[in-house]
Amino acid sequence: GEDVEQSLFLSVREGDSSVINCTYTDSSSTYLYWYKQEPGAGLQLLTYIFSNMDMKQDQRLTVLLNKKDKHLSLRIADTQTGDSAIYFCAESRNNQGGKLIFGQGTELSVKP
Amino acid sequence: GAVVSQHPSWVICKSGTSVKIECRSLDFQATTMFWYRQFPKQSLMLMATSNEGSKATYEQGVEKDKFLINHASLTLSTLTVTSAHPEDSSFYICSATGQPFSYNSPLHFGNGTRLTVT
Repeated sequence: GEDVEQSLFLSVREGDSSVINCTYTDSSSTYLYWYKQEPGAGLQLLTYIFSNMDMKQDQRLTVLLNKKDKHLSLRIADTQTGDSAIYFCAESRNNQGGKLIFGQGTELSVKP
Repeated sequence: GAVVSQHPSWVICKSGTSVKIECRSLDFQATTMFWYRQFPKQSLMLMATSNEGSKATYEQGVEKDKFLINHASLTLSTLTVTSAHPEDSSFYICSATGQPFSYNSPLHFGNGTRLTVT
């Protein structure tokens, strides 16, 4: 199976919070990342968290990491239509700097 | 910030021809570049890793004779799809890391190339 798994779709109303979930399998993961991909474009790094952290907040984005359950989530507060995109979580493993394992991506649809 | 320019953004070619895709780091030296392939509604599949001045390392199942990767300088890597067929139609994305590698921005992505083989 996949090393990194995400649900494929999420639909929310503008102004609500969005929570995108991700699970991974490798306990040696050192850093975990969230990327955003808009249609026809490359990936944009949103935020990252080191594996010894539980939470990280950056403006409207909150990342929660449960290392015991190997579960990562991204919460977007006050979701806007411009947040509609595909969100990928990714993990890096020790001594493989730069080589990331990506999830399948979650397509976030924000309805006005 | 670090910028990776990928060219062309889209290309249509006939079956049997070869297509070259360029990936350039504009304001940093890219010691390592990665080439990904992405099918619609799917994740990025790593094809190969290239380090400047050495042969690319291909992932299992990726034909190195079909997908030729050259990383001749610290700012340029190319992917050539040789004898392209319709099943090679896909979205190809490059990414690059500089020196020193930093976890807070591990990969800088190009905007991708949409290849359609007719």
